[in-house]
Amino acid sequence: NAGVTQTPKFRVLKTGQSMTLLCAQDMNHEYMYWYRQDPGMGLRLIHYSVGEGTTAKGEVPDGYNVSRLKKQNFLLGLESAAPSQTSVYFCASSYEGWGSDIQYFGAGTRLSVL
Amino acid sequence: TQLLEQSPQFLSIQEGENLTVYCNSSSVFSSLQWYRQEPGEGPVLLVTVVTGGEVKKLKRLTFQFGDARKDSSLHITAAQPGDTGLYLCAGAGSMTTDSWGKLQFGAGTQVVVTP
Repeated sequence: NAGVTQTPKFRVLKTGQSMTLLCAQDMNHEYMYWYRQDPGMGLRLIHYSVGEGTTAKGEVPDGYNVSRLKKQNFLLGLESAAPSQTSVYFCASSYEGWGSDIQYFGAGTRLSVL
Repeated sequence: TQLLEQSPQFLSIQEGENLTVYCNSSSVFSSLQWYRQEPGEGPVLLVTVVTGGEVKKLKRLTFQFGDARKDSSLHITAAQPGDTGLYLCAGAGSMTTDSWGKLQFGAGTQVVVTP
C-alpha cells in the first residue's frame, strides 16, 4: 500500500543546475499538489493539478514548472536552481480536490541548493 | 491570502500533562483540518471540522471549531510520548473569498512529550 511516493528523498544542487522531482500516487486520485515547507512558514502551495494534462499555479510558483502527463504522476521541475529554493518539498494527492477532502502526503524531498 | 496563526510555536511537556494548541485567523474558513507531522515524514490528517462550534474527539485529542469558523483548538489530555510531533492546522477558503476551497496552512506547533 504505497500511497504517495516521492523521489529522490535528498538532493544537493549547485546554483544554476536543474532537476526534476517525481511524485507518484497509486490511489487513482484526480488532484495532485506540490508544496514547499520552510521553517516558521508552514506549507505553501507551489503548483497543483486537477486532472491528467492540467496544471495550475499556487501561492509560490516562480522558478518552478510542473507536468502531469499521466494521472498517477506529477513532476516538479527546477530549471535553474537558486539558494532560495532550498527547502523540503512535499507532494500530495486527493480524490475530490480542495476543501474538506483528505490530502495524502508523500514523505518529502529535502533539497539543498549551494 | 488568509493567514492562519498557530500558538504556541513550541511546547514541551511531561507525560501525563494536558496541552492545548491554538489556530487563529481573521478570516472565515469553510472547513479546517488538523494534521500531525513526524520527523522525515509528510503530514497525516487527524480530523476535519466543518460546522461552527463543532467538537470532535479522537481518543485523547479534542478538536474544536470556533462558532464564527475563524479559529480552532486542539486539546490533548494526558499526553504521551507518542503524541510528539508537529501539529499543523489548515483552513479551506470561504465561498465569499477568492480562496474558495484552497488550503492555507499554519506554521505549526512543535509538541515534545517527554517520559
